[in-house]
Amino acid sequence: SAVISQKPSRDICQRGTSLTIQCQVDSQVTMMFWYRQQPGQSLTLIATANQGSEATYESGFVIDKFPISRPNLTFSTLTVSNMSPEDSSIYLCSTREGTMNTEAFFGQGTRLTVV
Amino acid sequence: GESVGLHLPTLSVQEGDNSIINCAYSNSASDYFIWYKQESGKGPQFIIDIRSNMDKRQGQRVTVLLNKTVKHLSLQIAATQPGDSAVYFCAETESGAGSYQLTFGKGTKLSVIP
Repeated sequence: SAVISQKPSRDICQRGTSLTIQCQVDSQVTMMFWYRQQPGQSLTLIATANQGSEATYESGFVIDKFPISRPNLTFSTLTVSNMSPEDSSIYLCSTREGTMNTEAFFGQGTRLTVV
Repeated sequence: GESVGLHLPTLSVQEGDNSIINCAYSNSASDYFIWYKQESGKGPQFIIDIRSNMDKRQGQRVTVLLNKTVKHLSLQIAATQPGDSAVYFCAETESGAGSYQLTFGKGTKLSVIP
């Protein structure tokens, strides 16, 4: 199974600033996904990031707020821009392996607090 | 018993008892389902999966049941242990959609009483 490392694991940021979260996978993967998990809630998909193409964003999420990079098959970044306290959440990186019907693996998450 | 907390439903069970966690899914076209366990401060961890051509699948101490008629999924944990305390999420996906996305349920917090 893929091992996914996220950095930072947590951060406290001032409102109006931006934070870039890094996701490193120990194997090459085609698809990477970024999720948000607000306190006490379930996971919501932000966007799908495939290498060599622009990220595909879900309803309610836009590129200007959450720009994503996918420079190669093992790495991706998510930036949370112009942060407000409402952006305080856990941000999770995920991958799928092989064919469609395989489990998805997650990083440990980045716990972001905006003050 | 089961109660609705501030955000997540909570299930409290005595150590050694069996736990049953339920999930209702929304997309009748979903054909692949996964249960995840999320401990505090960690990302979701895969527990067990099931495809829509099955109605039951067993793992080590866990069983997943799928009822497509009523769009219901359950996770049974046998002989629940304190280490099982976590939030459990079901996730669904539709193979034919081509998006490979997982849609997560609301989650249930399992508390094991020693």
